[in-house]
Amino acid sequence: GAGVSQTPSNKVTEKGKYVELRCDPISGHTALYWYRQSLGQGPEFLIYFQGTGAADDSGLPNDRFFAVRPEGSVSTLKIQRTERGDSAVYLCASSLRWTNTDTQYFGPGTRLTVL
Amino acid sequence: ELKVEQNPLFLSMQEGKNYTIYCNYSTTSDRLYWYRQDPGKSLESLFVLLSNGAVKQEGRLMASLDTKARLSTLHITAAVHDLSATYFCAVDGVTGAGKSTFGDGTTLTVKP
Repeated sequence: GAGVSQTPSNKVTEKGKYVELRCDPISGHTALYWYRQSLGQGPEFLIYFQGTGAADDSGLPNDRFFAVRPEGSVSTLKIQRTERGDSAVYLCASSLRWTNTDTQYFGPGTRLTVL
Repeated sequence: ELKVEQNPLFLSMQEGKNYTIYCNYSTTSDRLYWYRQDPGKSLESLFVLLSNGAVKQEGRLMASLDTKARLSTLHITAAVHDLSATYFCAVDGVTGAGKSTFGDGTTLTVKP
């Protein structure tokens, strides 16, 4: 079946611009997670959703970052006034439920480059 | 703040040899995950370990969890080239599942 998909796969933008990154989770998965991975490091938690609501957004680095999941399926990560330090691979994952026994399935990621 | 440390960060080994990757974490947790990542690819879940003493095996990989020592190990038996990848451990904090803290990964290269 279809896995987690993310678009675009690559995004190059200029400092100060606004970007949106999209995640389509596996159908039926209620939990959705966003991570950020810098080169040579492990993924860093940003936010996760249970249904439509953000259950924990404590990983968002500052108020330039915002994420929504209005219908409990597709999610969009929004970054305002991008900075060069935002350059990273943004990973999305989904799981069937929000429990500690459920496997998180990761998407291929969006590589964001801020010039 | 939960910290997760893996060692070694880089590992080069010969085919057929055995080796162990270690994952230490700093605060109480009973949920630990191992993932594999190939270059340019996303993460693939390998194991979910949920209790002290948990041991799981899949092919040449075996993972274990000691919550008292705050330590997990990923043991590789008779390595083959196809196991070359970066392996991450991740731990959920006490606030609940979903907010995983990852180690920096162990990049494994298996040479013929």
